[in-house]
Amino acid sequence: AQSVTQLGSHVSVSEGALVLLRCNYSSSVPPYLFWYVQYPNQGLQLLLKYTTGATLVKGINGFEAEFKKSETSFHLTKPSAHMSDAAEYFCAVGGTTDSWGKLQFGAGTQVVVTP
Amino acid sequence: GAGVSQSPSNKVTEKGKDVELRCDPISGHTALYWYRQSLGQGLEFLIYFQGNSAPDKSGLPSDRFSAERTGGSVSTLTIQRTQQEDSAVYLCASSPRVAIGGGNTIYFGEGSWLTVV
Repeated sequence: AQSVTQLGSHVSVSEGALVLLRCNYSSSVPPYLFWYVQYPNQGLQLLLKYTTGATLVKGINGFEAEFKKSETSFHLTKPSAHMSDAAEYFCAVGGTTDSWGKLQFGAGTQVVVTP
Repeated sequence: GAGVSQSPSNKVTEKGKDVELRCDPISGHTALYWYRQSLGQGLEFLIYFQGNSAPDKSGLPSDRFSAERTGGSVSTLTIQRTQQEDSAVYLCASSPRVAIGGGNTIYFGEGSWLTVV
């Protein structure tokens, strides 16, 4: 079974400050890991994903995440927050060969950016 | 189309009525997924289709929920005898056939907001 834990349901950051969203996963097989963003009244948009290879993954809008197997983590960062980063962020794990279409999502982290 | 299209975008229905939610995936995508997003339960997988068959329907919460896909394209999620706890956003997504390990992305629609009163 696979599961995801996102630490912090709400995060407030100042514009220009570092954004750090924490995600830990549990998986009995090598995981595929994802970060999605959801803006108000919209669907989910993929920020980045880790499947295999390089453990530091770069995504859209200046976000990146690092897969750390020893820590079972996949934290999302952005060096400098922008007002447009205010949204809800979801970490997800999935991709076993018999259930590759089934993503297990974390509970989400709501990001507020203050001027 | 350019993206995953869902209809209706909003639906208010009376308890006990049946509802149908429609999803039109990205052209050429053979895999289609339904997820549900609610305040109490977060994002939950419901079912996925590869072509017209559903290899995994383990997430359907009860026998009041069913889904079908015909012609390898449009899918309909049907909820019979709706209950208030069915109120949620129902998200549809699609992806190309190749497994996630091949690097393909699952693309989500904007959702159908269902309110049962």
